[in-house]
Amino acid sequence: MVLTQSPDTLSLSPGDRATLSCRARQSTNSVSLAWYQHKPGQAPRLLIYGVSNRATGISDRFSGSGSGTDFTLTISRLEPEDFAMYYCQYYGVPPFDFGQGTRLEI
Amino acid sequence: QVQLQESGPGLVKPSQTLSLTCTVSSGSISSGDHYWNWVRQPPGKGLEWIGYIHYSGSTYYSPSLKSRVTISMDTSKNQFSLKLTSVTAADTAVYYCARAGSDWGQGTLVTVSS
Repeated sequence: MVLTQSPDTLSLSPGDRATLSCRARQSTNSVSLAWYQHKPGQAPRLLIYGVSNRATGISDRFSGSGSGTDFTLTISRLEPEDFAMYYCQYYGVPPFDFGQGTRLEI
Repeated sequence: QVQLQESGPGLVKPSQTLSLTCTVSSGSISSGDHYWNWVRQPPGKGLEWIGYIHYSGSTYYSPSLKSRVTISMDTSKNQFSLKLTSVTAADTAVYYCARAGSDWGQGTLVTVSS
């Protein structure tokens, strides 16, 4: 499944709302879509699985939505620690490819 | 919570085989319906999924790497491994092992250079 994320870079300020997009090349009835946060020198961190389920310990400022070919990660009230790379991944049918990523910068 | 740790050489010569092992603790790799994955990130680039081995032993590899990749598991050691043959500089990356998407190793940098 080819995933295209947009925008490539998103420049916002603390307190803003971030909306990140992930578009699949073909429609899927599966809910097997995940979002990760990745910071330099760290392992990726699972934020959202199954399109809209927050992983353990993830703040409710992070929410996921979407269906078919269009999926969204929304981060409300940005905190300084939220500025990082974000990736979506489809894990319904292999290959479990990632999108190219969105850089969320201050 | 399961813990994963990658190990292996940090430097591999071009045309040789890259071999990494992921040791799993606080959980068994042969129990539960889990996919054990390898993912890499070349310098300055995004995450690239390499492949998985299912707890049943079945495997699936990225089509772009399929001809060079083998993922195997050793249940007696609670480990799974990655072998990537005929490496080039383009295979230089931080390599991560992960259980599905929820648990990740810290990653290990492998440089391909003579």
